[in-house]
Amino acid sequence: GQQLNQSPQSMFIQEGEDVSMNCTSSSIFNTWLWYKQDPGEGPVLLIALYKAGELTSNGRLTAQFGITRKDSFLNISASIPSDVGIYFCAVYTGANSKLTFGKGITLSVRP
Amino acid sequence: NAGVTQTPKFQVLKTGQSMTLQCAQDMNHNSMYWYRQDPGMGLRLIYYSASEGTTDKGEVPNGYNVSRLNKREFSLRLESAAPSQTSVYFCASSEWQGPLYGYTFGSGTRLTVV
Repeated sequence: GQQLNQSPQSMFIQEGEDVSMNCTSSSIFNTWLWYKQDPGEGPVLLIALYKAGELTSNGRLTAQFGITRKDSFLNISASIPSDVGIYFCAVYTGANSKLTFGKGITLSVRP
Repeated sequence: NAGVTQTPKFQVLKTGQSMTLQCAQDMNHNSMYWYRQDPGMGLRLIYYSASEGTTDKGEVPNGYNVSRLNKREFSLRLESAAPSQTSVYFCASSEWQGPLYGYTFGSGTRLTVV
């Protein structure tokens, strides 16, 4: 099946720091999404990207759709404790365009 | 509150037991999905239902069956639970399939098979 690569599996940062994470694939996709999963909850959509090269912001979050359509980046600025959670990239795959997720990056923020 | 409701939230089963995970959405969505989440594996699609009356296999369907009971409800059944099915199960729904329609997820069912 399609594979989205997210690494490292875990990241540890200090409150107030910026953090950047990326998601890559060997295949081309026309839509890239970023989800966040809070502990004990289901994933929630943060940002959706629909156009190659697109840069979209949502508060302290900024995401970019790579120009090659094979990658995407998510940046979090001035991190706060509630940023902890698992961050997934996702794309639509298959004939019926179902959502496929990367393995996720667990973010920890030290006060 | 509008959204996707999953029951139960926690369950412990013995190997070989059966159970049904329930999912209901009140957003009048047409498409519904079941995913499982394992550490370091992300979320993997088990089964989906594009619309009422249809179901299809996803990436990891073995050991599971589903029923789209009506437009609101989509259940996942484990006929003979195995330890490998220990996981967190998420139900999701979307208005229709396709990139223009976002998914809403439930809060999950944490299943342990001993």
